[in-house]
Amino acid sequence: KAGVTQTPRYLIKTRGQQVTLSCSPISGHRSVSWYQQTPGQGLQFLFEYFSETQRNKGNFPGRFSGRQFSNSRSEMNVSTLELGDSALYLCASSLAGNSYNEQFFGPGTRLTVL
Amino acid sequence: AQRVTQPEKLLSVFKGAPVELKCNYSYSGSPELFWYVQYSRQRLQLLLRHISRESIKGFTADLNKGETSFHLKKPFAQEEDSAMYYCALSESGGYQKVTFGTGTKLQVIP
Repeated sequence: KAGVTQTPRYLIKTRGQQVTLSCSPISGHRSVSWYQQTPGQGLQFLFEYFSETQRNKGNFPGRFSGRQFSNSRSEMNVSTLELGDSALYLCASSLAGNSYNEQFFGPGTRLTVL
Repeated sequence: AQRVTQPEKLLSVFKGAPVELKCNYSYSGSPELFWYVQYSRQRLQLLLRHISRESIKGFTADLNKGETSFHLKKPFAQEEDSAMYYCALSESGGYQKVTFGTGTKLQVIP
C-alpha cells in the first residue's frame, strides 16, 4: 500500500508570511502526528490528531496549528513565519495513535524561511 | 517532563566489531521505548521497540529501568548498518506523543 505522502516537498517563504503543509496518511490510518526536525533541536513533537481532534500538543507557540479532515488527511499551518521556523517538517501516521501502533513517517517538507 | 539522551553524536566502528548505541531516558510514568533508524536518503522508520523483545537486523535493546537506559546493541557491525539512529520514548498505552533523542550517526568502516 502507498506510504505517507507530504506536499509540497520543498518550500521557500519570507519572514512574516504563513504556510500550509499537507500530509496524507496511509489508507486506514486515523492518527497523524507532526514533528519539526532541525539540526540544533532534533526531532520535536508538534501535535497529534485522531478523528479530526487534536489529542496532544508539544511545546510550540500558537503560530503553529493544524487540523485533520474526515478522510484523515492533515494540514499544519505556521503563521507569521520566523527565520527559526526553517526546518524539515515530518508527519507520521498510525492506525489508532496509541503507543502500541507503529508510526510510519513521510518524506518531510523542507521549509526555508528567508 | 520526558527526556531522551543520546550522548554520542557520532560512533565509528570497524566492520565486524560490536556496536553499542547509548540511550538514557527520564520519565516519571511507565515508558515505552523505541529505536528508529534513518538510512541515507530514506525515511525514518521503526527499528525495534522494547515491548516486542525482538531482534531486528541483528540489533537488540534491553530496557533497564534501574539505570533508565535502553542501549542498542549488535555483536558484529555490517557496512549496511551505517545510518542515523534515534532513541525515542512515549507513555506506554498512551497517545502518541513521542519524544526523540538527538540521534547518533553510526559509521561502519569497511
